[in-house]
Amino acid sequence: NAGVTQTPKFRILKIGQSMTLQCTQDMNHNYMYWYRQDPGMGLKLIYYSVGAGITDKGEVPNGYNVSRSTTEDFPLRLELAAPSQTSVYFCASSSTGQGPTNEKLFFGSGTQLSVL
Amino acid sequence: GDSVTQMEGPVTLSEEAFLTINCTYTATGYPSLFWYVQYPGEGLQLLLKATKADDKGSNKGFEATYRKETTSFHLEKGSVQVSDSAVYFCALNNFNKFYFGSGTKLNVKP
Repeated sequence: NAGVTQTPKFRILKIGQSMTLQCTQDMNHNYMYWYRQDPGMGLKLIYYSVGAGITDKGEVPNGYNVSRSTTEDFPLRLELAAPSQTSVYFCASSSTGQGPTNEKLFFGSGTQLSVL
Repeated sequence: GDSVTQMEGPVTLSEEAFLTINCTYTATGYPSLFWYVQYPGEGLQLLLKATKADDKGSNKGFEATYRKETTSFHLEKGSVQVSDSAVYFCALNNFNKFYFGSGTKLNVKP
């Protein structure tokens, strides 16, 4: 199983550029999340989605946008990149079903983004 | 709002030493609690979880007990190995929103 797939793995942007971080999961999970991890810090929730067509803000949504047109895909959009958005971005998904994997977050391998 | 606070690191131990990483939480209702581990260059992996008060989660020799009276979920291991060196994150899930602590880096020396 592929699990949660993020692309790209690395990216360098200039200030003001825009880009989309892609995230796809093949586990039919309802819930999907975007986190950012700054050096030496924990994960901060940017946006999350409880199902196709439904998204909501997390702790640090400013400067980002998301969409959820399908169950599988949850892209994160940066419109005007700023140095403060330099971070490692993780996409994750989870299921609300019964069983041992209920509530478990499955993480992608991350995208390291630098804005210069 | 909901939050998780865990002890700052780094924590440096010799192999076979006893490990405790403290974690406390603030949340409304009845959250589930988790410990995740992150190895260098990788995403987070679930280590263990507990879904209600007094539950004990355990995996790979690590244990943590859900203490509602002290709002804590401390991680323990009786004898650490060099391979346990990683960053450990305490987390909670409340209404399907996951909140993470800032992480504690563990260094285990041979």
